[in-house]
Amino acid sequence: GAGVSQSPRYKVAKRGQDVALRCDPISGHVSLFWYQQALGQGPEFLTYFQNEAQLDKSGLPSDRFFAERPEGSVSTLKIQRTQQEDSAVYLCASSPIGVPPYVEAFFGQGTRLTVV
Amino acid sequence: AQKITQTQPGMFVQEKEAVTLDCTYDTSDQSYGLFWYKQPSSGEMIFLIYQGSYDEQNATEGRYSLNFQKARKSANLVISASQLGDSAMYFCAMREDAHGSGNTGKLIFGQGTTLQVKP
Repeated sequence: GAGVSQSPRYKVAKRGQDVALRCDPISGHVSLFWYQQALGQGPEFLTYFQNEAQLDKSGLPSDRFFAERPEGSVSTLKIQRTQQEDSAVYLCASSPIGVPPYVEAFFGQGTRLTVV
Repeated sequence: AQKITQTQPGMFVQEKEAVTLDCTYDTSDQSYGLFWYKQPSSGEMIFLIYQGSYDEQNATEGRYSLNFQKARKSANLVISASQLGDSAMYFCAMREDAHGSGNTGKLIFGQGTTLQVKP
């Protein structure tokens, strides 16, 4: 497809379950970002990849959150032992250039995670 | 620390009129970029307009313009001739541009403003 694709679009998990969220960036895009957006709030940065290298994971809220991009394309965000406060929309964004300056990142439609 | 402030949780505008969405920012960097994104109910973030900190002219993209006042650290979005399809959440965001170790280009977002266009 032409844009950033995320799957699943919606995920309901029971508290304590592990979940995996997938992001297919635009082909050839070097940079990939994950953001977490709580209801009614702005997105907050979680982690950044340049190709397969995870250069910044300062926004991951706990060690239950893990992200990978093993071949420099598709990325997976994994949340272990989900808790209710993990309920949010998880947005993935990609951009074509590894370092600034670049103009904008392209966002996917997000995965809405609800932990019950 | 970098911060974006959007003080208007919700705004109403009549169709075909212009509306201004406020955004102020805080940074100690000299080089940075300011963005506005639109988020409709479908959830995706749609890029609207970009302003670099060294750009002397205000950015314009069709019906969108950015009123950049560097000394006041404000980057307000002006939407002219509002349309019903403009109803959405609008986010102001900032990104460091300065090269240096650890600069990933991540975006810092404000809390957003919900815009409703009335027919």
